[in-house]
Amino acid sequence: GAVVSQHPSWVICKSGTSVKIECRSLDFQATTMFWYRQFPKQSLMLMATSNEGSKATYEQGVEKDKFLINHASLTLSTLTVTSAHPEDSSFYICSAITSGGDTQYFGPGTRLTVL
Amino acid sequence: AQSVTQLGSHVSVSEGALVLLRCNYSSSVPPYLFWYVQYPNQGLQLLLKYTSAATLVKGINGFEAEFKKSETSFHLTKPSAHMSDAAEYFCAVSDQITSYDKVIFGPGTSLSVIP
Repeated sequence: GAVVSQHPSWVICKSGTSVKIECRSLDFQATTMFWYRQFPKQSLMLMATSNEGSKATYEQGVEKDKFLINHASLTLSTLTVTSAHPEDSSFYICSAITSGGDTQYFGPGTRLTVL
Repeated sequence: AQSVTQLGSHVSVSEGALVLLRCNYSSSVPPYLFWYVQYPNQGLQLLLKYTSAATLVKGINGFEAEFKKSETSFHLTKPSAHMSDAAEYFCAVSDQITSYDKVIFGPGTSLSVIP
């Protein structure tokens, strides 16, 4: 089956620093990757859609300058949380889908804690 | 616009009892429907999906769901609950399966299994 990995699985950082999260499709090429944010005991909220080689499409209310997304290859997308603050603490999950595919495959998530 | 509601944020069943998790959707076009399971601190795993073929869909781990257009429902069932089924379950909807489409998630239902 299709496997998506995320690195790191958890990260703790100081307020004001930037954190990069990687999302990789290990055994398939992902033309599109999605980034979600999940607060405790809540559902997933789509942050942005990332297409390989083009700019990401952000959902309403998501600051594109704060959450930088790069999809440089068909197997890698990165989410950088710039100048992180405690309110950015959350569980970030990515998913990937192939061209013409019908299923999103999810990564294991990254727990970000900003002190 | 599409939306998903899940009746009951928390469901408890005894081991060996029937599992029924409710999902109702709203969509202006024929929907595609999904059930995902999330274990603590993990990403999402696809249980099953409806993509306009058979209305009764069988998934992994003994789960199945039935698409009922007249009721706009896609309830998830399992004849006999196992302790390992304890997790968070999300129903989701999209209106077309392309690499650019968005999946809208319901609020989730937490399933507890009592020994």
